[in-house]
Amino acid sequence: AQSVTQPDIHITVSEGASLELRCNYSYGATPYLFWYVQSPGQGLQLLLKYFSGDTLVQGIKGFEAEFKRSQSSFNLRKPSVHWSDAAEYFCAVVPSSGSARQLTFGSGTQLTVLP
Amino acid sequence: GAGVSQSPSNKVTEKGKDVELRCDPISGHTALYWYRQSLGQGLEFLIYFQGNSAPDKSGLPSDRFSAERTGGSVSTLTIQRTQQEDSAVYLCASSPPSGAGDGYTFGSGTRLTVV
Repeated sequence: AQSVTQPDIHITVSEGASLELRCNYSYGATPYLFWYVQSPGQGLQLLLKYFSGDTLVQGIKGFEAEFKRSQSSFNLRKPSVHWSDAAEYFCAVVPSSGSARQLTFGSGTQLTVLP
Repeated sequence: GAGVSQSPSNKVTEKGKDVELRCDPISGHTALYWYRQSLGQGLEFLIYFQGNSAPDKSGLPSDRFSAERTGGSVSTLTIQRTQQEDSAVYLCASSPPSGAGDGYTFGSGTRLTVV
């Protein structure tokens, strides 16, 4: 079955430390891949997306993600976390073919940043 | 407008009452999506409109839920005979005709509380 998995429910890092949030997918063909961030009481903001080409994708707020086909992964990274990065992060996918166009989301990873 | 607008931002209703939630997408966006975000359930797809095509209703959880999109723009999600399990944040998103290529823009959501 098609699925998106975020193995880490909650991650805590210190401000200034590096961050990696994991995302794995299970689809017949490589889907389009997205990372969204949601701050408390807010909607979802797109951080970055991957469709094809260069497997290292740069996004907003200093985030990047690397697509690894062999591992069916699309992990989100940031070299130095800021307190304002505390939020919930969602990995999402859309099939690259077919009529379905809605996003399917992972269960999210809650990020806490310690001062 | 500049973004996806949802109203009301908060709604408290009594069990058994009907509610209507409104979404005003970005001008020119032909696709519109409704999602539900609740504790323990993550982000669930509800319904998808694309232009004048028949909507994809595959995510609606029961026949108490319905949605329409008038004139290819504003959409209304209606929940009849609300139940406590309907309490959630309802998010709307829109995307341009190119679809996934330009991403999806989300509104800030409507927080529905059924008492």
